[in-house]
Amino acid sequence: EAGVAQSPRYKIIEKRQSVAFWCNPISGHATLYWYQQILGQGPKLLIQFQNNGVVDDSQLPKDRFSAERLKGVDSTLKIQPAKLEDSAVYLCASSLLANYGYTFGSGTRLTVV
Amino acid sequence: AQTVTQSQPEMSVQEAETVTLSCTYDTSENNYYLFWYKQPPSRQMILVIRQEAYKQQNATENRFSVNFQKAAKSFSLKISDSQLGDTAMYFCAFMNSGAGSYQLTFGKGTKLSVIP
Repeated sequence: EAGVAQSPRYKIIEKRQSVAFWCNPISGHATLYWYQQILGQGPKLLIQFQNNGVVDDSQLPKDRFSAERLKGVDSTLKIQPAKLEDSAVYLCASSLLANYGYTFGSGTRLTVV
Repeated sequence: AQTVTQSQPEMSVQEAETVTLSCTYDTSENNYYLFWYKQPPSRQMILVIRQEAYKQQNATENRFSVNFQKAAKSFSLKISDSQLGDTAMYFCAFMNSGAGSYQLTFGKGTKLSVIP
């Protein structure tokens, strides 16, 4: 089966600009997650979707971050405006039965200058 | 909230030798799952091994095995016959099944280098 697809792979933007990341999960996986991984740290959950509904967005900085999952398949994560501290790898993951673990994409490395 | 602690930021091992990575966690829950993920330079997180807390038997996957000590809240990963391809960041992760959301909480990771 195809894995979790993410794009772009790298992105460099200036602070205060906006950026969007795209994720296509494994076909049939109802649950989709966005994680933020700052250099030297483990991934931190930003938002969790079940189909096209939000399960948990308690750690999403909603003043600048937004995410959507249209039709319960693809998802986009947007940052507007970006800050220097948003520099990180943004990982998307999906799961069919979450207690068996997630399948992750290769992530987008964002650098804000 | 659950926390996961990996006390070894970096480790190295000679090729073909055995290495053990440590992980401890803090939770008041009784039903949960524990995972080890590997993250090579390609950045993709790859599931290495999984343990169900209600099972006393330690999980094994080929050269990878765990030592799960529920009372001590310890979950270490043993890699036998280390190979160059095992060089990566290794993350321990906790998943609480009781809350229903099945979210992974990760430790800070251990960077493992396999030396030829």
